[in-house]
Amino acid sequence: QKEVEQNSGPLSVPEGAIASLNCTYSDRGSQSFFWYRQYSGKSPELIMFIYSNGDKEDGRFTAQLNKASQYVSLLIRDSQPSDSATYLCAVKGAGGTSYGKLTFGQGTILTVHP
Amino acid sequence: DGGITQSPKYLFRKEGQNVTLSCEQNLNHDAMYWYRQDPGQGLRLIYYSQIVNDFQKGDIAEGYSVSREKKESFPLTVTSAQKNPTAFYLCASIPRDSNVLTFGAGSRLTVL
Repeated sequence: QKEVEQNSGPLSVPEGAIASLNCTYSDRGSQSFFWYRQYSGKSPELIMFIYSNGDKEDGRFTAQLNKASQYVSLLIRDSQPSDSATYLCAVKGAGGTSYGKLTFGQGTILTVHP
Repeated sequence: DGGITQSPKYLFRKEGQNVTLSCEQNLNHDAMYWYRQDPGQGLRLIYYSQIVNDFQKGDIAEGYSVSREKKESFPLTVTSAQKNPTAFYLCASIPRDSNVLTFGAGSRLTVL
């Protein structure tokens, strides 16, 4: 079983719609959760992170965390063609001193069509 | 501007050759990481270092080696023992007691 799982997609949504990206993780003690966006041929860039159960909003982006269900999601409102990219979910496991050691999912390809 | 510089951006290697990928940061970050990405896959951790002169193996360290002689530099050597080295290599760094990675632009290695 993969430690961090994402639907690889591609997920296709029309411009202006809400895109919903999902991620599940296996380590119940995981503490920190991150969403990165990666354009083709480029390096990942951080969109947002979440540590506590519930929702966290930043502009058009909302991260949702449910630790009981081991589930984290990213909602993109008013999707734009420029949002078309691969979205990577990353998880920091429980405990230890190795801060920053993240486990990544395989990524979900999002396509926003005009 | 502060950031992470990886070089070269593109590299071609013949089978049996060792190659070294450079990673330099001027962010004064303590920890540095090397990840590998294959097409359609997420990032897999090769090596990481949280302090000068110390480093730890990640999930796929076989066939790779690193050094951390200076805080700013964390070069990765892909040795001939790495069976399938063609991939996109990403260097990242992070300040102390943070979990937010900053990535370099990456180096794409192709074995001919």
